[in-house]
Amino acid sequence: DAGITQSPRHKVTETGTPVTLRCHQTENHRYMYWYRQDPGHGLRLIHYSYGVKDTDKGEVSDGYSVSRSKTEDFLLTLESATSSQTSVYFCAISESNQGQYFGPGTRLTVT
Amino acid sequence: QKEVEQDPGPLSVPEGAIVSLNCTYSNSAFQYFMWYRQYSRKGPELLMYTYSSGNKEDGRFTAQVDKSSKYISLFIRDSQPSDSATYLCAMSAGGATNKLIFGTGTLLAVQP
Repeated sequence: DAGITQSPRHKVTETGTPVTLRCHQTENHRYMYWYRQDPGHGLRLIHYSYGVKDTDKGEVSDGYSVSRSKTEDFLLTLESATSSQTSVYFCAISESNQGQYFGPGTRLTVT
Repeated sequence: QKEVEQDPGPLSVPEGAIVSLNCTYSNSAFQYFMWYRQYSRKGPELLMYTYSSGNKEDGRFTAQVDKSSKYISLFIRDSQPSDSATYLCAMSAGGATNKLIFGTGTLLAVQP
């Protein structure tokens, strides 16, 4: 994950507050993805982007929004955090069908 | 029923053993198959990629895809304690969005 960074790496927030997670890549890959990982559910796609300003919903998009104003940055916003959004969030990038490359993750706790 | 099924384990083997990890899937449109390794509190790392059916070998790792049975496998030869991790299968039908569907992962422990 040398070309992908996520910030913050850890965050604790209160229910009802907005939260923004950032994914930054230096690989110039076209596709970017946000996943959440929970025990028993594995990795689930929240939103993805196929270009600047081009985004679409994934499997578990309710309560989340995204923005991509530059190729290198993909932001995930929890509009009003809930305890069910406590999870580990991973960003991934891709340029082809030959796999996605993941960042180090953000551990989010909503109290 | 999930599109991709993977036994969660845990699987515990002695050092040097041959490990077999497997996934089954239901969507016959899947053409791209991947295996990821994830160490505790780290991001998934792409280990192997295979297109369509067949085998692919990389060092101690061999990936097999049997599309007729909708079954994929990852074999690890001469397993090492450093192989202890969660292994995730992932697959895709391809197309413009390159979305992956993941198994839930198998936790492997290689005992020294």
